[in-house]
Amino acid sequence: AQKVTQAQTEISVVEKEDVTLDCVYETRDTTYYLFWYKQPPSGELVFLIRRNSFDEQNEISGRYSWNFQKSTSSFNFTITASQVVDSAVYFCALSEGGETSGSRLTFGEGTQLTVNP
Amino acid sequence: NAGVMQNPRHLVRRRGQEARLRCSPMKGHSHVYWYRQLPEEGLKFMVYLQKENIIDESGMPKERFSAEFPKEGPSILRIQQVVRGDSAAYFCASSPNFSGNTIYFGEGSWLTVV
Repeated sequence: AQKVTQAQTEISVVEKEDVTLDCVYETRDTTYYLFWYKQPPSGELVFLIRRNSFDEQNEISGRYSWNFQKSTSSFNFTITASQVVDSAVYFCALSEGGETSGSRLTFGEGTQLTVNP
Repeated sequence: NAGVMQNPRHLVRRRGQEARLRCSPMKGHSHVYWYRQLPEEGLKFMVYLQKENIIDESGMPKERFSAEFPKEGPSILRIQQVVRGDSAAYFCASSPNFSGNTIYFGEGSWLTVV
């Protein structure tokens, strides 16, 4: 069975600090997909990134970067020079695929990030 | 999350009433998923549907909850005889027709049972 662990329940930083959100996953499949979603105070879920298990290249998108390491089953997310608008709950999720699960996601419990001015 | 339409956004029901939540997937998406987010908790999978078929309902409570995705029209999540513990945000998501795709979420429907 798959599992996603986000050990950090809450993180509070001051604007312009860098912050890393940790995500550790468990799966028995060799093919799987990892995601990050952002849930701002308004409540919607915003897709940030999707990564498949065969692509271990790190990715950077503006102030966001992701570090995928299969050896430690981790998919960590770093925000550089954080801003108040980054304040949100961030969810890491795993999809194992397959006919009966489709793109069904298993979510971590989320990390509440608060960026203070 | 562009394109997945959920309604209503907010719904208030008295205990014992029925709640119906609707979801129209993104254009071209034939897979629909429902997730529930209880207060202060993460998202939990409820059910996965394709047109006219329930593929996986392993996350659905055994009683009072049902879901459908008819040939025509939106997917419906139905909760009968609601109780206070059903108060939550219900998110619908959709994806194209093969596994591993990104799934996009609607804005959620917030159910409050009073």
